[in-house]
Amino acid sequence: EAGVTQFPSHSVIEKGQTVTLRCDPISGHDNLYWYRRVMGKEIKFLLHFVKESKQDESGMPNNRFLAERTGGTYSTLKVQPAELEDSGVYFCASSQVSHNTEAFFGQGTRLTVV
Amino acid sequence: GNSVTQMEGPVTLSEEAFLTINCTYTATGYPSLFWYVQYPGEGLQLLLKATKADDKGSNKGFEATYRKETTSFHLEKGSVQVSDSAVYFCALRDNQGGKLIFGQGTELSVKP
Repeated sequence: EAGVTQFPSHSVIEKGQTVTLRCDPISGHDNLYWYRRVMGKEIKFLLHFVKESKQDESGMPNNRFLAERTGGTYSTLKVQPAELEDSGVYFCASSQVSHNTEAFFGQGTRLTVV
Repeated sequence: GNSVTQMEGPVTLSEEAFLTINCTYTATGYPSLFWYVQYPGEGLQLLLKATKADDKGSNKGFEATYRKETTSFHLEKGSVQVSDSAVYFCALRDNQGGKLIFGQGTELSVKP
């Protein structure tokens, strides 16, 4: 069974450009989470989808970040326009049931804004 | 709000040394507690978990006990190997929605 897959693995963009990260969860997992780790600090929650609905987006830093999960399958996280402080590693995770089952993580996308 | 604090790294040990990585938490209620590990070039993997007070999670020689009285979940291993070199994250699971709240990570380097 395929795990959680994230694309791209690395991205280097200039300040002001747009970048779109993609996450393919494990098939059948309704719950999808985005997290971010900035410069060796803690991994911070960004948002949570249940199927195609945003369950909790309290961690989204500002309106330059837009997450979608059309059809309840894969998800995208767009940053527009990117700023230097957006650099970090973006992780995606999926789970079957939010409370009681393990969340499986992807390898992450390392975003560098220069 | 809920939070997790873990000891800062990096931690450098010789092979076969004893490892402790401290983790304490602040939470309402009784969250589940986790240790995740990120090996070089890989994603986060669940190492072990505990879902209630006094539970002990264990895996690959690592252990951690859920201590409600001290709000701690320290990670231990009796004899580390070079292959244990990785970044270790302590986390708790929010009781609403299931999101994870992580500590800042501890980088472990084990030298032969």
